[in-house]
Amino acid sequence: ETGVTQSPTHLIKTRGQQVTLRCSSQSGHNTVSWYQQALGQGPQFIFQYYREEENGRGNFPPRFSGLQFPNYSSELNVNALELDDSALYLCASSWGLAGGNEQFFGPGTRLTVL
Amino acid sequence: RKEVEQDPGPFNVPEGATVAFNCTYSNSASQSFFWYRQDCRKEPKLLMSVYSSGNEDGRFTAQLNRASQYISLLIRDSKLSDSATYLCVVNLNTGGFKTIFGAGTRLFVKA
Repeated sequence: ETGVTQSPTHLIKTRGQQVTLRCSSQSGHNTVSWYQQALGQGPQFIFQYYREEENGRGNFPPRFSGLQFPNYSSELNVNALELDDSALYLCASSWGLAGGNEQFFGPGTRLTVL
Repeated sequence: RKEVEQDPGPFNVPEGATVAFNCTYSNSASQSFFWYRQDCRKEPKLLMSVYSSGNEDGRFTAQLNRASQYISLLIRDSKLSDSATYLCVVNLNTGGFKTIFGAGTRLFVKA
């Protein structure tokens, strides 16, 4: 086990609703990245937080937003849910800003939008 | 063109076979490179980092060719437990950090 936890494990929402997903990073890690993984695809980078600041962002619309807290845990918020938002959402923690370090993934949150 | 492209697979090989996975990336500013492994319905886990000098970990060898923007993974003496999806990963920092995963190549090792 990596020590990265995510909640909830599964979630069902309807189109137009808002959702908040949570991630607790591994002890000693100060960087959290969020990914969306559709079935049969690789994870798609949503954004990364380093010491409570957004450090990078992928090609996702502004309705995907996040936060990182002083204890380095993190939230992913998605507003105005669309059917295509149905996916596995993974968070990964790592140490430092360089990007050369291993990312440790949590088990993911499976989101279904009806 | 996708930023990171991998062999589409799946690869079906017998135990003991040698299998090679290929990956290409489009952004020459890419800084660090990895292979991750993802088992069915599980999270990705780091298999190995990839360096220009090449690196080996037991039966696994990874190679990076920056000039050709090409990454490879070789698995020798395949085991049943090697069956998984192998993900090529590239990090870059061009006005903001980004991690790009390939779509993955599925490997089935048969007895």
